[in-house]
Amino acid sequence: EAGVAQSPRYKIIEKRQSVAFWCNPISGHATLYWYQQILGQGPKLLIQFQNNGVVDDSQLPKDRFSAERLKGVDSTLKIQPAKLEDSAVYLCASSPNFMGQGDTGELFFGEGSRLTVL
Amino acid sequence: EDKVVQSPLSLVVHEGDTVTLNCSYEVTNFRSLLWYKQEKKAPTFLFMLTSSGIEKKSGRLSSILDKKELFSILNITATQTGDSAVYLCAVEPGGGEYGNKLVFGAGTILRVKS
Repeated sequence: EAGVAQSPRYKIIEKRQSVAFWCNPISGHATLYWYQQILGQGPKLLIQFQNNGVVDDSQLPKDRFSAERLKGVDSTLKIQPAKLEDSAVYLCASSPNFMGQGDTGELFFGEGSRLTVL
Repeated sequence: EDKVVQSPLSLVVHEGDTVTLNCSYEVTNFRSLLWYKQEKKAPTFLFMLTSSGIEKKSGRLSSILDKKELFSILNITATQTGDSAVYLCAVEPGGGEYGNKLVFGAGTILRVKS
């Protein structure tokens, strides 16, 4: 079974530039997450999708971050304009749970996209 | 606000030692607690715990949950250099329609010296 795919693996940009990250979850997984992991910290949820709908984006800095999952499969996370404090690893994860099933369990993570903002 | 605190932040041991990693939490409507191992890439799943007092075991790793005292421990016996990693504890709050919204601690950095 193919895992969660992310690209690019690394990106270096200057502040005020824009960047986009792409994620393709495990086939059939309804739920997709974007986490931000700053060096020395645990991952922090930015946004959660259920199919193509947003379930939780309460911690997404909406003035500069946006994300979409138009067809309920792959997803793109964009930052525009980037700030120095956006330097982090952006982890995409997916899980197979469906509405109403209340399944608890593991998330399947991609290898992350490391962003450095200069 | 949901919170997960891990301790120690880091530790260095020698091969063969036994280590205990701690995770305490405050969360609304607890559903589960998960442990992940993170090397220089994606976090990989170790355990999911939902019930107090029931030990989960996988090889040299084991974990147990205390829902009364709101903590979990992860034990690693006979440590090997390959156990060097960041160990992340995460809690899944309940009450929502969709699960798996994990709240992570900052992690414990384990370094095993040969």
